[in-house]
Amino acid sequence: DGGITQSPKYLFRKEGQNVTLSCEQNLNHDAMYWYRQDPGQGLRLIYYSQIVNDFQKGDIAEGYSVSREKKESFPLTVTSAQKNPTAFYLCASSPRDRGTYEQYFGPGTRLTVT
Amino acid sequence: AQKITQTQPGMFVQEKEAVTLDCTYDTSDQSYGLFWYKQPSSGEMIFLIYQGSYDEQNATEGRYSLNFQKARKSANLVISASQLGDSAMYFCAMIYRDDKIIFGKGTRLHILP
Repeated sequence: DGGITQSPKYLFRKEGQNVTLSCEQNLNHDAMYWYRQDPGQGLRLIYYSQIVNDFQKGDIAEGYSVSREKKESFPLTVTSAQKNPTAFYLCASSPRDRGTYEQYFGPGTRLTVT
Repeated sequence: AQKITQTQPGMFVQEKEAVTLDCTYDTSDQSYGLFWYKQPSSGEMIFLIYQGSYDEQNATEGRYSLNFQKARKSANLVISASQLGDSAMYFCAMIYRDDKIIFGKGTRLHILP
């Protein structure tokens, strides 16, 4: 089965700790994205990567870091510098083919920091 | 700067009626694409439809169609013959240069039996 996996579904952390959210895809897609969603809000882009070993900041990158060492994997680290880390985090991938810009989303991780 | 605006925070529609969800966008790019996604209460994001800025025909996918009016910078989603399962949040989004994407704040659609 091809798709995107995010684990865990729920994550709880104490304030001041870094936490890494995983995102894996077996769709052979070039592009991968991380979004944050707050209650009742749309998605906001944190980071995205169009190719291995390269990534760009989105609109709200402060307090987050990413890596793209493998095509299949795009982990997101929420650092202690992120002031309001509690949110729903969604990872997505896209083939970037001409005419095919559909984003395939993972099931998301709900992070709660207390 | 790029922007997506969804002016309807919530809508109530009777089952089997058609519904139009509004989306306007702002960009200075010539090449861009517009999406609609559905998000049920489970949180998953379901792709509905895509329209490229150079596509002359309005996109359609089953009961979904995208009413693309380039001069007005609008990309409204039309759902024909609504069903109870259509109750969800709906997001309009735009992809522009370097594959960057922005989303609107969404419209919560309630289908009434």
